[in-house]
Amino acid sequence: GEDVEQSLFLSVREGDSSVINCTYTDSSSTYLYWYKQEPGAGLQLLTYIFSNMDMKQDQRLTVLLNKKDKHLSLRIADTQTGDSAIYFCAESMSSSASKIIFGSGTRLSIRP
Amino acid sequence: NAGVTQTPKFRVLKTGQSMTLLCAQDMNHEYMYWYRQDPGMGLRLIHYSVGEGTTAKGEVPDGYNVSRLKKQNFLLGLESAAPSQTSVYFCASSYIYSGQASYEQYFGPGTRLTVT
Repeated sequence: GEDVEQSLFLSVREGDSSVINCTYTDSSSTYLYWYKQEPGAGLQLLTYIFSNMDMKQDQRLTVLLNKKDKHLSLRIADTQTGDSAIYFCAESMSSSASKIIFGSGTRLSIRP
Repeated sequence: NAGVTQTPKFRVLKTGQSMTLLCAQDMNHEYMYWYRQDPGMGLRLIHYSVGEGTTAKGEVPDGYNVSRLKKQNFLLGLESAAPSQTSVYFCASSYIYSGQASYEQYFGPGTRLTVT
C-alpha cells in the first residue's frame, strides 16, 4: 500500500542548512508536499512540487525530487530558531480529495 | 478571515461518553476533512466531504460520524468514546481547482481529546 516515511528527529545548529528527507512508495503520485506544524498549531503548506519537476526553489527552501528512488528532500538554508517545527512530507494524486498520505513528521530542533 | 476554526481546543471524556467537535471555515471552500494525529504517525483521514450535504469515509472512519448540513461547518461526532480515540483531531478545508480538490489544504489549530 501507499506509505510515506521520514525520520522522526533532526537537530541542526543555527545558521547551518537543514535537510529533511522523505521516501514514498506510490509511483503514481502527482503532487508532493511539505507541510510545517508549529507548536499548538495546525499544519500549514510550506511548499509543493509536481511529479514532473526535479527541483523547486523558494527563497531559503529547496525541494529536490528523485522519482527513480522515490525520494523527496527539503533543504532549509541558514536555519533560524523560527524554523523549529515538525515538517510533514505528503503525497497525493490530483484526482482524489481523500488521498493525501502524510508521513509521521520530522521534528526539527535548532541548537544555538 | 478567521480561516479554519475548531471548537473545543481541549476535552477530556470518560469511556462511553459522546461529544461533537465543530469545524468552521469562512473561505467558502467546498471540501472539508477530519484527520487524527497520533504520536509517531502521520495524519490519518477519518471522514471527508466534497460539498454541503455529502460525506464519505476516509482511512479510519470506525467509531466516528460526521455531518455537513451547512457548507461552512463540518461536525465530527463520537457516539461512545473509547481510550483508543485519544488523539489530536484536525479539521481542514480546500477549494475546487480545475474541477478537483486543490492541492493545498488549510488546517485548523486542532482539538486535543483525551478519553479516560
